Amino acid sequence: GAVVSQHPSWVICKSGTSVKIECRSLDFQATTMFWYRQFPKQSLMLMATSNEGSKATYEQGVEKDKFLINHASLTLSTLTVTSAHPEDSSFYICSAASREGGNNEQFFGPGTRLTVL
Amino acid sequence: GENVEQHPSTLSVQEGDSAVIKCTYSDSASNYFPWYKQELGKGPQLIIDIRSNVGEKKDQRIAVTLNKTAKHFSLHITETQPEDSAVYFCAASIGGSNSGYALNFGKGTSLLVTP
Repeated sequence: GAVVSQHPSWVICKSGTSVKIECRSLDFQATTMFWYRQFPKQSLMLMATSNEGSKATYEQGVEKDKFLINHASLTLSTLTVTSAHPEDSSFYICSAASREGGNNEQFFGPGTRLTVL
Repeated sequence: GENVEQHPSTLSVQEGDSAVIKCTYSDSASNYFPWYKQELGKGPQLIIDIRSNVGEKKDQRIAVTLNKTAKHFSLHITETQPEDSAVYFCAASIGGSNSGYALNFGKGTSLLVTP
């Protein structure tokens, strides 16, 4: 099956710093990538939808200036958490949708655990 | 927008028994219904999906049924094993051509299979 990787798998940073998370589709081209965040024992909350070469579409309540998304190629999207605060601590998960097949199946990355001190 | 309800939130079964998780959705335009298994500290893994032109799909011990009229779909796991223990999420989306559409997730079901 299609493989999606994320890097780093976990990160600890100080409050006020910025953190970049990478999401890569390893064996397919992703037309669209999605970024989710997940708090403990809760469901996945969609943050934004990212299409290659265009600006991301953010969900209501998600600050686009705080969560910068870049989808520069069909295999890479990045999420940068700017001026991170402890309340940004969460599990961030990306998914990628394949251009091929004509369907909307999404493949998820393994997630990135962010802890802001 | 789409609203996906999932029940139960927790489910405990004995090894070998069956487990059933049910979801309902609100948007009749939804046409793609995947189920994901998430183990602790990992990303969700697609285990089975169904599209609106099909009423049932089976893959070994896992099956999914879809009732479009009632707008609900269910996951059935037979002959459960301890390694089936995880959190299961249902989702719904409105699909189309060659592009990905956002998934609306249920709140998840924590399944525990005891030996």
